[in-house]
Amino acid sequence: NAGVTQTPKFQVLKTGQSMTLQCAQDMNHEYMSWYRQDPGMGLRLIHYSVGAGITDQGEVPNGYNVSRSTTEDFPLRLLSAAPSQTSVYFCASRPRQGIYGYTFGSGTRLTVV
Amino acid sequence: RKEVEQDPGPFNVPEGATVAFNCTYSNSASQSFFWYRQDCRKEPKLLMSVYSSGNEDGRFTAQLNRASQYISLLIRDSKLSDSATYLCAVNRGDMRFGAGTRLTVKP
Repeated sequence: NAGVTQTPKFQVLKTGQSMTLQCAQDMNHEYMSWYRQDPGMGLRLIHYSVGAGITDQGEVPNGYNVSRSTTEDFPLRLLSAAPSQTSVYFCASRPRQGIYGYTFGSGTRLTVV
Repeated sequence: RKEVEQDPGPFNVPEGATVAFNCTYSNSASQSFFWYRQDCRKEPKLLMSVYSSGNEDGRFTAQLNRASQYISLLIRDSKLSDSATYLCAVNRGDMRFGAGTRLTVKP
């Protein structure tokens, strides 16, 4: 049981480049979310999904797109990378029932130069 | 003002000490509450859920006060291995996190 798998683990981008961070979970969880973590800022919600075909914006959605075509996958797309998007990105999933917390992937460390 | 606020810390305590973390939230419609532990350069891991009646897991006790909109985490008999950052999380449909409080337990 792999849990939540994120790829890549590390990435360096040039300003203006685009890329997709991958996230997959094998626990059949309905809810999935993307967070970014910056020093002193804690985890900030970028986008989340309550099921296949349904996504919504979080606290800091600008510059990012998501889609949820299957229950398992929830990719995060950076449209035109900026240095302000240098961060650690975590994907997480949980069952529909609110009593369960999130299980996190191991993160992607992204640097935009 | 952030929706979920925590003591900024850091907390530096000797082994065996009792330490308490507090967290306040602003959305009264919040439904469920959690404490996470995050080690340096690792992902957050669920430590425990927080129930209305309060709950305990070994040396860890979590409490919820819905009227005052805060949750707390008490760690008794601190161990060196408890050194980490502790994050509170509030589920209000989506999940929001506090900025975390760093704990260092010293010999």
